[in-house]
Parts: sequence; C-alpha cells; structure tokens
Amino acid sequence: QVQLKQSGPGLVQPSQSLSITCTVSGFSLTSYGVHWVRQSPGKGLEWLGVIWSGGSTDYNAAFISRLSISKDNSKSQVFFKMNSLQANDTAIYYCAREDGYGNGAMDYWGQGTSVTVSS
Amino acid sequence: QIVLSQSPAILSASPGEKVTMTCRASSSVSYMHWYQQKPGSSPKPWIYATSNLASGVPARFSGSGSGTSYSLTISRVEAEDAATYYCQQWSSNPPKFTFGSGTKLEIK
Repeated sequence: QVQLKQSGPGLVQPSQSLSITCTVSGFSLTSYGVHWVRQSPGKGLEWLGVIWSGGSTDYNAAFISRLSISKDNSKSQVFFKMNSLQANDTAIYYCAREDGYGNGAMDYWGQGTSVTVSS
Repeated sequence: QIVLSQSPAILSASPGEKVTMTCRASSSVSYMHWYQQKPGSSPKPWIYATSNLASGVPARFSGSGSGTSYSLTISRVEAEDAATYYCQQWSSNPPKFTFGSGTKLEIK
C-alpha cells in the first residue's frame, strides 16, 4: 500500500536549517510528484513546494530563497531543506503525494513532522 | 494569485441536520478539492475535482460548484463528521497550490 514516512528533528535553533526526509513505498517517485505542506499551530495549511516525477521543482514564491527539495529515486526518498528558520516557522511539516491525474490534488500524506524553532 | 475564502469558519450542527460549507475563489477556477482533517491527524482527501468522493467517503457527502463558488454538503450530519474541512485549488502558471482557511464542523 502507499505510504509516506517522514523523519526529521523536532527542535531547530533559530537561524539554523531544517531537513526532513520523506521515504515512500507502494509507488515510484519516477511516476508521482511529492509536495510539501506545513501547518502552523492552530492555523491552516500552507503549500511550500513540489518535486515532480521528472525531478523539476516548483516553490511557493514566499519561500523560494530558502527552500530546497530534492530526491533519490533509487532510495524512494524525498529531501526537504529550509534555511534560516525563525520562530514563525514552527509548524507541522507534511509530505504528500500528487494524485497523478494532473488536477493538483494530494492523495496520500505523511504522518507529519512537528518542528519547533527555539533556542 | 488566487485566494480561497471559506465560510463559515465554525459550523455547529446537530446529528441528522443538513449542512453546507462554502469556498469562494478570488478568481474563477476550474474545480476544487476538499480535505478533511481531525485533530492530531494528517489531512485526508475527501472530494476530488469539485464533486468526486474519495475512496471510503460516505455518500451523505457531496460537492458542487463552478467558477468562483464551491460547496461541500452533508445531507445528514453524524458525530464522526466532526473535523475541519479545507478546500484547495491549483494554478498552473506559475504552479501554485492554495488552501482555504478551513471550516470547523462541530457536532452538538
């Protein structure tokens, strides 16, 4: 079955970077794109970026200067890195699979990585 | 840049009631997706492309709309429907995925 499992730190120092790995199973990264979405405490969902099946990326313009998404197809892993974190980056970060129909939906989600930015 | 506005922010209903929540886009969009999220859980796809229920979603749910106005309706609310529902759309040039602010459904 399709699964996305996330791993990453729960605590990040201000001005430091955040790295999260999303390991997928049940599908190939050469066939599906993977999005990253975050949810600040008590707030809604915010799209951060996507890596498409072919390896190209698109980012939310608000984060383009400090966000990087890459992947290793052979290991079924997607890598998320955000630089220069501040307190307002405290959030749950999710990876999610695009549904493959080209309509922008996300059909499977990881369990989320809760990240606190604090010294 | 398209902005999605959901209303109401909080919806309170008794079991068996019919409820409707709305998602309005700042510009016309081709379709809308909906997600359900319960506390402590990841969002789940609920309705695809305006009116297609995701696998396992009860038939009491339905979606409709076009242009700038979309809605999610529950014909007879049940306790298990308590959750926050988010609408979402995407634009392709440049690629941008946008979520609404959510409607929290509370069951009396």
